[in-house]
Amino acid sequence: GNSVTQMEGPVTLSEEAFLTINCTYTATGYPSLFWYVQYPGEGLQLLLKATKADDKGSNKGFEATYRKETTSFHLEKGSVQVSDSAVYFCALRGTSYGKLTFGQGTILTVHP
Amino acid sequence: GAGVSQSPSNKVTEKGKDVELRCDPISGHTALYWYRQSLGQGLEFLIYFQGNSAPDKSGLPSDRFSAERTGGSVSTLTIQRTQQEDSAVYLCASITEIAGANTGELFFGEGSRLTVL
Repeated sequence: GNSVTQMEGPVTLSEEAFLTINCTYTATGYPSLFWYVQYPGEGLQLLLKATKADDKGSNKGFEATYRKETTSFHLEKGSVQVSDSAVYFCALRGTSYGKLTFGQGTILTVHP
Repeated sequence: GAGVSQSPSNKVTEKGKDVELRCDPISGHTALYWYRQSLGQGLEFLIYFQGNSAPDKSGLPSDRFSAERTGGSVSTLTIQRTQQEDSAVYLCASITEIAGANTGELFFGEGSRLTVL
């Protein structure tokens, strides 16, 4: 079955540091890949997505590239802010209909 | 409504009692999900409703768990004879499925936190 593995957290950074959160997946066929974010006290929301190999999703300064050869979708940001403190979830969806499979989530804390 | 609404936001119950959790999805969304979020466990898929198709119940952890979606809108997740390991945040999400497009943008509610004593 499909599965997603994220780097274990928590991750603690200083403001303006570079961020990478690793995500690898196992799936048959050509899944779509997603990053969701959960800010404190809020519901999960889509951060970015990529639907085919070599696509790059981007939003709010975050980027992730769909790498089929390494089955990865790592999340990066060049300069994090305190407001980026949240829980980040990598996810995949194998078909146009059906469940999204999520990773374990990575807690990010950014200090001033 | 403007977003996915879940109730109650918090529920404390005693072991062995039944609980019902409610989800009001975004109006017009064709599909609805239930997930469970436990500390350190990520998001665990429970059940998926899509239009008039038979629901995907493959994630329900035991026969104590059931869910229904009435009129293609509101959904209720029922947990019978609750156990302490059922304690978690139960999340509902909805989406408009577009044929041939894997948009994957789920809209989540803020969840119902269940504590079983």
